[in-house]
Amino acid sequence: EDKVVQSPLSLVVHEGDTVTLNCSYEVTNFRSLLWYKQEKKAPTFLFMLTSSGIEKKSGRLSSILDKKELFSILNITATQTGDSAVYLCAIGKDNTDKLIFGTGTRLQVFP
Amino acid sequence: EAGVTQFPSHSVIEKGQTVTLRCDPISGHDNLYWYRRVMGKEIKFLLHFVKESKQDESGMPNNRFLAERTGGTYSTLKVQPAELEDSGVYFCASSQFVLGPGSGYTFGSGTRLTVV
Repeated sequence: EDKVVQSPLSLVVHEGDTVTLNCSYEVTNFRSLLWYKQEKKAPTFLFMLTSSGIEKKSGRLSSILDKKELFSILNITATQTGDSAVYLCAIGKDNTDKLIFGTGTRLQVFP
Repeated sequence: EAGVTQFPSHSVIEKGQTVTLRCDPISGHDNLYWYRRVMGKEIKFLLHFVKESKQDESGMPNNRFLAERTGGTYSTLKVQPAELEDSGVYFCASSQFVLGPGSGYTFGSGTRLTVV
């Protein structure tokens, strides 16, 4: 059965800290790995990764995929209170348009 | 552009009652998806419409759930009769093109369903 596991489940840090969120997966017919940020309601898209070793970057956020070890990390540097959210990892598979989600990592950033 | 709109934002119903959730996708988006998150668990796929046709309904839990998308615009998800385990947050998402799983998705804010 396909599985997506995120760790840690929850993280509390102070502003300015750097955090690393993990996502490991076991799926058949892997196509892509996606990261979403869910603040209050709707998940919003952050990154889509399809190739190993190529870092994607957007401001203070970056992510990389390792298809050999079956995991991805999402890094956030110099965290701000606005980074507080649930970060979701999801896998896309070939031959289907549905996503398989992990349970998410809840990040709380305090001033 | 207006985002994906879901209505209601929160619904509390008694076990055995019927509830209908509505999703208005972004105008022009042919692809519409329903997902749900049950308390403490991950978000799970329910089904995918392409225009008015059901492309994939493999995630629908049982025949108490009925999704429709008449005319290929808005979609409804009816639960009849509702059970306690149906409680959760129901998300809708839409996309214009199928570029690959998840790419181009815009999610709605969800409907929180509580069955008591």
